[in-house]
Parts: sequence; C-alpha cells; structure tokens
Amino acid sequence: GAGVSQSPRYKVAKRGQDVALRCDPISGHVSLFWYQQALGQGPEFLTYFQNEAQLDKSGLPSDRFFAERPEGSVSTLKIQRTQQEDSAVYLCASSFRGAGNTIYFGEGSWLTVV
Amino acid sequence: QKEVEQNSGPLSVPEGAIASLNCTYSDRGSQSFFWYRQYSGKSPELIMSIYSNGDKEDGRFTAQLNKASQYVSLLIRDSQPSDSATYLCAPEGEKAAGNKLTFGGGTRVLVKP
Repeated sequence: GAGVSQSPRYKVAKRGQDVALRCDPISGHVSLFWYQQALGQGPEFLTYFQNEAQLDKSGLPSDRFFAERPEGSVSTLKIQRTQQEDSAVYLCASSFRGAGNTIYFGEGSWLTVV
Repeated sequence: QKEVEQNSGPLSVPEGAIASLNCTYSDRGSQSFFWYRQYSGKSPELIMSIYSNGDKEDGRFTAQLNKASQYVSLLIRDSQPSDSATYLCAPEGEKAAGNKLTFGGGTRVLVKP
C-alpha cells in the first residue's frame, strides 16, 4: 500500500476485554515503531522492531501489552485485560531504516475503554 | 525533567506573522532532529529535519539547531490559518536504541485571520 495502514481505526472495549491492533507498514520498510498518544500529549514510545526482531520494548507500560511482527511485515499490538488508562490513540510508524530516515505514521487506532 | 521540553501553548499569532517554537532536549547523544506537524485528530507528519548546527530553511519553515545548548527551534514565516496545528519536536535516539524518536508534548499554534 501507499502508506502505513492501521486497523481498526476506532475501537471501544469494555474494561477487562482483550484488544488487538494491527499495523501494515509501507512495503519494504525494515523498522516499525508503536507509539501511544494520550489526549493533549505527545506520542510516547512503546516498542520497536527491526524486521521480525523486537529490539526495544522499554516503553511498554505493563505486561498486559504485547507486540509481535512474526514475518517482519505486519505487526500486532495486543492489550490484555484493558483498563481505562489504556484509552489513547495507538500510532504505528515505519521507516526504511531507523538512522535518519523519515518515519511515516499511520492514521492511528483510537482505543476507548469503558 | 522530561527528555524533550516544549511550551504547550497555545501560541496565538496573527496571519502573516512569524511563529517561533522552541524545544530543548536532554540526550546529548542525539544527532538528528525532526519537527512534525499534527492536525487535530490526525497523525503526525514530518515537516522538517535538521542534522547540523545552524539554520535550515525549507519554504516558509526554518529550523535552527544548537547542539551545545541542546536547543532546537522552528520558525514559521508568513503564518497561515492552515498552519494551525500542534508542532512536535522529536530528537532521534542513538543507533543502538533503534533511532527511535522521543517526542515532546507539542506546541499548539493558532493562526488568527
């Protein structure tokens, strides 16, 4: 595809429910990032993949958050037992390689936990 | 202290004026710096990148970098109502850390006709 594609665009989850957010990066992009953006805040780093390898997961807020990219392309961010504080926009971004290359963002998945 | 500091604003400027946005960062290892624009409800889009000390101009935008002072700024000349958005400063991390971007909280800019 032409850009980074994320789905679902909008998700309302009941507290305690598990959710899965999908990211389809730009074809050929090696690096993939997940960010969390709360209302009125800047994006906060969650995790980084280079191909299928998860090289940095230091930003994942708890063990309820899990991300994978098994074939080095599509990535899934999974949140187990969602809590209200998980309500945010989850942004996926990709770049050809990390170093100085432009990072392109998807439109985001808006998660509301009720 | 946050890693990347920006004035949250809103920064209100009249149409045609210069908007000046500032950003300070704590990681002395950062070598690349990016400015993203984010419209309400949309994802960030890259508008400027700067790698060397000094000024870099691109159209109505000028980025300024001073690594010794750990300071980067963005000037928007001849501001237009379409420039009303949140501007995010993002230094790039070390290569070993995947060159991830660390974002500031953003400065909201309002350009009034």
